[in-house]
Amino acid sequence: GIQVEQSPPDLILQEGANSTLRCNFSDSVNNLQWFHQNPWGQLINLFYIPSGTKQNGRLSATTVATERYSLLYISSSQTTDSGVYFCAGGSSGNTGKLIFGQGTTLQVKP
Amino acid sequence: ETGVTQSPTHLIKTRGQQVTLRCSSQSGHNTVSWYQQALGQGPQFIFQYYREEENGRGNFPPRFSGLQFPNYSSELNVNALELDDSALYLCASSLASGQETQYFGPGTRLLVL
Repeated sequence: GIQVEQSPPDLILQEGANSTLRCNFSDSVNNLQWFHQNPWGQLINLFYIPSGTKQNGRLSATTVATERYSLLYISSSQTTDSGVYFCAGGSSGNTGKLIFGQGTTLQVKP
Repeated sequence: ETGVTQSPTHLIKTRGQQVTLRCSSQSGHNTVSWYQQALGQGPQFIFQYYREEENGRGNFPPRFSGLQFPNYSSELNVNALELDDSALYLCASSLASGQETQYFGPGTRLLVL
């Protein structure tokens, strides 16, 4: 079945620092997405990135599908970046079902 | 704001009771998926509805059931509540089933005592 693993599980940064979050996924995944869950539980879409690189402001993501991993880069982190970051994957045989990793909990200190 | 709304925001029930959670999808989306998120875990897929039909189900017992209406809003029903059903329940809407970006609602926090 589909497997999604994230690292590190926890990350503490000082405001202004950069960070890289990693997501490894099984070879049946072809629909990789990154989400940010804020302290109130809202999941916010960051990137839909089955392959390639995308950037949105201070965030960017790269997925190397052939090597089955994706990276989320956060530059110049701010306290509002705190929360849990999830990657999630689906496959063509699973009708939109997303399998989530365990998440990376990020705390950005002022 | 994703345009996906859920109600209620919080709910407290006792073991054995039944609960109904509601979700309104983003305008133009015909697919709704439901997820259960236990504390400290990632969301787990319960099932998906596409054009009023169940279109995929995760590893949840039959006491978890759902419905989708002609306007594509959806309900999640849980019968015979158990303590382990305490969780954040998330719904997500998408343009179609399959390989589409899913947009999540704010969730319903259910506590079973």
